[in-house]
Amino acid sequence: QKEVEQNSGPLSVPEGAIASLNCTYSDRVSQSFFWYRQYSGKSPELIMSIYSNGDKEDGRFTAQLNKASQYVSLLIRDSQPSDSATYLCAVLSGTYKYIFGTGTRLKVLA
Amino acid sequence: ETGVTQTPRHLVMGMTNKKSLKCEQHLGHNAMYWYKQSAKKPLELMFVYNFKEQTENNSVPSRFSPECPNSSHLFLHLHTLQPEDSALYLCASSQGTREQFFGPGTRLTVL
Repeated sequence: QKEVEQNSGPLSVPEGAIASLNCTYSDRVSQSFFWYRQYSGKSPELIMSIYSNGDKEDGRFTAQLNKASQYVSLLIRDSQPSDSATYLCAVLSGTYKYIFGTGTRLKVLA
Repeated sequence: ETGVTQTPRHLVMGMTNKKSLKCEQHLGHNAMYWYKQSAKKPLELMFVYNFKEQTENNSVPSRFSPECPNSSHLFLHLHTLQPEDSALYLCASSQGTREQFFGPGTRLTVL
């Protein structure tokens, strides 16, 4: 059973701090990785995708991928209360088969 | 309309009813998906269609019946559901195996 693991949280950080969200996956051949944000009662919203080892930055968000360790993370700089949400990690495992983690709930304290 | 739309947004049905969920994507994507999201559980992939051909059926009970008449429209026909089927049903689309984009979801309650 291919899996994606995330700490459910909540992860609490003060406003302006860096939030670090982590995800591990079991399928070694996975090549595509995604981070989604989901507000309570809403649908997932794509934040970033990452396909190769290393860092990828987009505004306040940085995704980091380490395929050897089967680990992908999301850093949120200058965290804002509006960033409070559940963050879902997704891994493409096979053709059109996206596996999601249970998500990490982030709380940014004003 | 832009992105991925879903109707209805909320649905309450009895166990003997028949209803359908509708999804439409305006992104020109070739693949469409149905997911189920229950509390405390990860998104569960139910069905995948690529150019209106079903490519994935994740052991979903036959009381859920998908239909994909073209690459822009996707339906999920529901009949004789159980209370444990109450959940948020999400439709998504993608171009190939790139990023998925989700619709707003249908909140389903089975009485």
